[in-house]
Amino acid sequence: DQQVKQNSPSLSVQEGRISILNCDYTNSMFDYFLWYKKYPAEGPTFLISISSIKDKNEDGRFTVFLNKSAKHLSLHIVPSQPGDSAVYFCAAVTSGTYKYIFGTGTRLKVLA
Amino acid sequence: DTGVSQNPRHKITKRGQNVTFRCDPISEHNRLYWYRQTLGQGPEFLTYFQNEAQLEKSRLLSDRFSAERPKGSFSTLEIQRTEQGDSAMYLCASSSPGGERGTQYFGPGTRLTVL
Repeated sequence: DQQVKQNSPSLSVQEGRISILNCDYTNSMFDYFLWYKKYPAEGPTFLISISSIKDKNEDGRFTVFLNKSAKHLSLHIVPSQPGDSAVYFCAAVTSGTYKYIFGTGTRLKVLA
Repeated sequence: DTGVSQNPRHKITKRGQNVTFRCDPISEHNRLYWYRQTLGQGPEFLTYFQNEAQLEKSRLLSDRFSAERPKGSFSTLEIQRTEQGDSAMYLCASSSPGGERGTQYFGPGTRLTVL
């Protein structure tokens, strides 16, 4: 059972525009959510996270939004840059455990 | 560079052979994780160590898989009697208890190919 889903395998955006990556989850016990970025031949790199007590967290060009009632989170990148081209994974975890559940990833391509 | 390192980076083996991978976490990190990633999928949790104690283990970690972290520093992941379905990227990550929750630092992975 895929508890964390990223339904868009790929996304192309023009440089300077907004990139919106989406993630849905099914397990209501998840209370902490994260986004990672992965370049080829490298391990994932942590980007930004959000606790379930918040609905928004911002870090520079990256903002994560959480809609608990819809069990949905999204990552906004503004403005998008060519260096943002990578695979983005969302992940979720429940307090008291360390079993992070990752989505299948969305490949973002930012066009110059 | 004091990031997470993994060795070997690539391993090709024949079905039925045993393989062992090593992960060296960031030195002050007491938490260590192993994941498996196959093509088109995200990392799948395998196991978690806090210091030398293995505190969580996925059902994916069958009895052919074993992980150790004997002194709470480096860790090894062994796969016995490898099968073709074991072909994947094996990722190790570490984190600090004082760091932002969930901030795992990943190594570059070991790519296993079972022929």
